[in-house]
Amino acid sequence: AQKITQTQPGMFVQEKEAVTLDCTYDTSDPSYGLFWYKQPSSGEMIFLIYQGSYDQQNATEGRYSLNFQKARKSANLVISASQLGDSAMYFCAMREDGTGGFKTIFGAGTRLFVKA
Amino acid sequence: EPEVTQTPSHQVTQMGQEVILRCVPISNHLYFYWYRQILGQKVEFLVSFYNNEISEKSEIFDDQFSVERPDGSNFTLKIRSTKLEDSAMYFCASTNTRSSGGNEQFFGPGTRLTVL
Repeated sequence: AQKITQTQPGMFVQEKEAVTLDCTYDTSDPSYGLFWYKQPSSGEMIFLIYQGSYDQQNATEGRYSLNFQKARKSANLVISASQLGDSAMYFCAMREDGTGGFKTIFGAGTRLFVKA
Repeated sequence: EPEVTQTPSHQVTQMGQEVILRCVPISNHLYFYWYRQILGQKVEFLVSFYNNEISEKSEIFDDQFSVERPDGSNFTLKIRSTKLEDSAMYFCASTNTRSSGGNEQFFGPGTRLTVL
């Protein structure tokens, strides 16, 4: 079974508008962390935002916010005021604290295209 | 700001040859990881390493792969006899805690391995 599901292979957004990238996850571990990474065409993985399973408030980092709905096991990324430089691949990821290796599991990604 | 570094940035090798990918994690980090990303696909966990031993490995990490921390700074991934399907971007990552609590894995810029 997929641990991380990103159902949008590609998304288009107009510059300066907000966009939501979907992510659902599956875990039985009560303690886990959810992450979003940006991967531009240059290939590096850029950390954007983190949400802990016990965090009461949704995480925010500048123009990025994470809409965390624990009961629905969703962790959608909201990018406000999109910029051309936001065009990239976005990966949702999860770390389960109960596993020995503390690996990060990634979703398949969503490619975001920002239109001028 | 401290960062994970990887060398080389691009490695081209002939099928059957051995390659060693090198990583220098952030200096006070204790947990080290290798991931790979085949072109156009998601990032896949290979192995995690802590206290000079493998904590967890995926089914991808077969006998052809090995990891080592030969000194206090380097963390290496060796592929003994490369196959065409080993062509991918290989990311090294490190973190300083076993918990996902607010501490993302810091990723290196990646090494693109091309097997001919």
